[in-house]
Amino acid sequence: DAGITQSPRHKVTETGTPVTLRCHQTENHRYMYWYRQDPGHGLRLIHYSYGVKDTDKGEVSDGYSVSRSKTEDFLLTLESATSSQTSVYFCAISGGQGRNYGYTFGSGTRLTVV
Amino acid sequence: GESVGLHLPTLSVQEGDNSIINCAYSNSASDYFIWYKQESGKGPQFIIDIRSNMDKRQGQRVTVLLNKTVKHLSLQIAATQPGDSAVYFCAQMVLTFGGGTRLMVKP
Repeated sequence: DAGITQSPRHKVTETGTPVTLRCHQTENHRYMYWYRQDPGHGLRLIHYSYGVKDTDKGEVSDGYSVSRSKTEDFLLTLESATSSQTSVYFCAISGGQGRNYGYTFGSGTRLTVV
Repeated sequence: GESVGLHLPTLSVQEGDNSIINCAYSNSASDYFIWYKQESGKGPQFIIDIRSNMDKRQGQRVTVLLNKTVKHLSLQIAATQPGDSAVYFCAQMVLTFGGGTRLMVKP
């Protein structure tokens, strides 16, 4: 989606290795979020950020950490990847000036942990 | 090994027909609702929203209806097209308050 990009789009990694996913926005939105999407669970919030260096946990934060050193970038790190973290990860942003108070989502990162 | 796919409710319609997708929500305090469309391999995309002080909102070919009495939300798509094929999600937002702080100003 315009204004928000995720990288990489696809990644295969081995169990026990660290992995970092990046979300980059050009909209200057205050809020950024990381979700994971799994069959039967919809989208579940992992972590979110409400400003530079301000982050908090979501409903499925165990095994994940995040960092936001500047407005544009929100990083999601799996310190030691496990097979249960195989999922599609979506970044979202919100807090713009428009009428839409909802979120804008990135295109997703498909992570496979083998 | 055996693979288990996602068991999603599925609505099948003919091209040109109207589609109605329903959503029940549980939190009576919800004050803002959004419909998202997710095409295969893509992130959810905003379609239309509605605030709790409204019961109907129309967009281009889409209408959202809100029935707060029965906590039900629906998305109507007129003249459904092949490009409408996707998974549709409803989402709700709730304005929640902290306990409050009393500020007393001494003259």
